[in-house]
Amino acid sequence: QKEVEQDPGPLSVPEGAIVSLNCTYSNSAFQYFMWYRQYSRKGPELLMYTYSSGNKEDGRFTAQVDKSSKYISLFIRDSQPSDSATYLCAMSEDDSNYQLIWGAGTKLIIKP
Amino acid sequence: NAGVMQNPRHLVRRRGQEARLRCSPMKGHSHVYWYRQLPEEGLKFMVYLQKENIIDESGMPKERFSAEFPKEGPSILRIQQVVRGDSAAYFCASSPATSGKLFFGEGSRLTVL
Repeated sequence: QKEVEQDPGPLSVPEGAIVSLNCTYSNSAFQYFMWYRQYSRKGPELLMYTYSSGNKEDGRFTAQVDKSSKYISLFIRDSQPSDSATYLCAMSEDDSNYQLIWGAGTKLIIKP
Repeated sequence: NAGVMQNPRHLVRRRGQEARLRCSPMKGHSHVYWYRQLPEEGLKFMVYLQKENIIDESGMPKERFSAEFPKEGPSILRIQQVVRGDSAAYFCASSPATSGKLFFGEGSRLTVL
């Protein structure tokens, strides 16, 4: 079993829909949770950074962490075709960058 | 302010040749990380370097792979005697400190024939 599980997709939704992307994990010691967006042939770009449980909102994006269920989510409201990308979750026990454990990514397609 | 620069973007090598991948971090960043990404897989940490020091190379294969970040110039990831299994995208990231936001380059895609 992988330490971080993420459905590879692709997930295809119409423009304007609310998108829910998820990761599950097995290590209860993870405390730092991140979502990265990766466009095709590009490097990942940090979208959301959260510590411990709870919600964090930034514009159309909301990150949610449920440590009791070992489950994190990224919600995208009013999805746009420009949101089409692969979304990677990453997490770590401490805030050291190189200790990050990555999900394999979910490919998201927003249809105009 | 230029981002993380990686070159070459694409590299083709025959089995047994050497591959050298270069990474110039963002200005002011002294922490460099190398990752490997295979299709349908997540990023796999390889090595973490600061200027002239390898801090953690626990993710790097013991043989054929080496990395450096000299006092002057870019960080180099070197793969000797490449094999087909080395074909992947190699990403470099930099940060101004051990923690905080990672900034990624656009990657170097190595194809071994």
